[in-house]
Amino acid sequence: ILNVEQSPQSLHVQEGDSTNFTCSFPSSNFYALHWYRWETAKSPEALFVMTLNGDEKKKGRISATLNTKEGYSYLYIKGSQPEDSATYLCAFRLDSNYQLIWGAGTKLIIKP
Amino acid sequence: DGGITQSPKYLFRKEGQNVTLSCEQNLNHDAMYWYRQDPGQGLRLIYYSQIVNDFQKGDIAEGYSVSREKKESFPLTVTSAQKNPTAFYLCASSSGDWDTEAFFGQGTRLTVV
Repeated sequence: ILNVEQSPQSLHVQEGDSTNFTCSFPSSNFYALHWYRWETAKSPEALFVMTLNGDEKKKGRISATLNTKEGYSYLYIKGSQPEDSATYLCAFRLDSNYQLIWGAGTKLIIKP
Repeated sequence: DGGITQSPKYLFRKEGQNVTLSCEQNLNHDAMYWYRQDPGQGLRLIYYSQIVNDFQKGDIAEGYSVSREKKESFPLTVTSAQKNPTAFYLCASSSGDWDTEAFFGQGTRLTVV
């Protein structure tokens, strides 16, 4: 059974602090790793799609790294702001049959 | 504006009834998906479609049915055979390439009363 694990399940961070969380996925048959941000009452929105071992992607204060050989990706948020409060989902794409296998998410709460 | 629209936002169903959730996209995407979310769990795939008039079962297809008669539309019917239909349902679409992102609707919360 293929499984994607995200940790921690939830996280409280003081405004201004930096933080990171993890997505672990099967290291075989890797095609792509997706990160999404899901704010309350909104649709999930894509942050990154990562395809190559060693990939590092950045969007503003948010960045992500990928290690396909050991099966993990880290998402980093630098200088957390209240608008970063959301659930962060990762999803592992297994081969070319278009399916994504999703983690349960990390719920991030930024304390002012 | 291009996007993906789900309706209704909230839906109440009586035991034994079928209900249909709507999903429409104007992104010209080939692939469309239906997911179910339950508390504390990742999104689980119900059905997906890579092209018009074709669709495939996902991990939890029992008690659900879909159609894909038009590229823009991928409605999901929750039948009376679905034993525990109360959940949050998300529709998504993508261009189908394995390295491109998925776009999501805002979801439908279905409650059985």
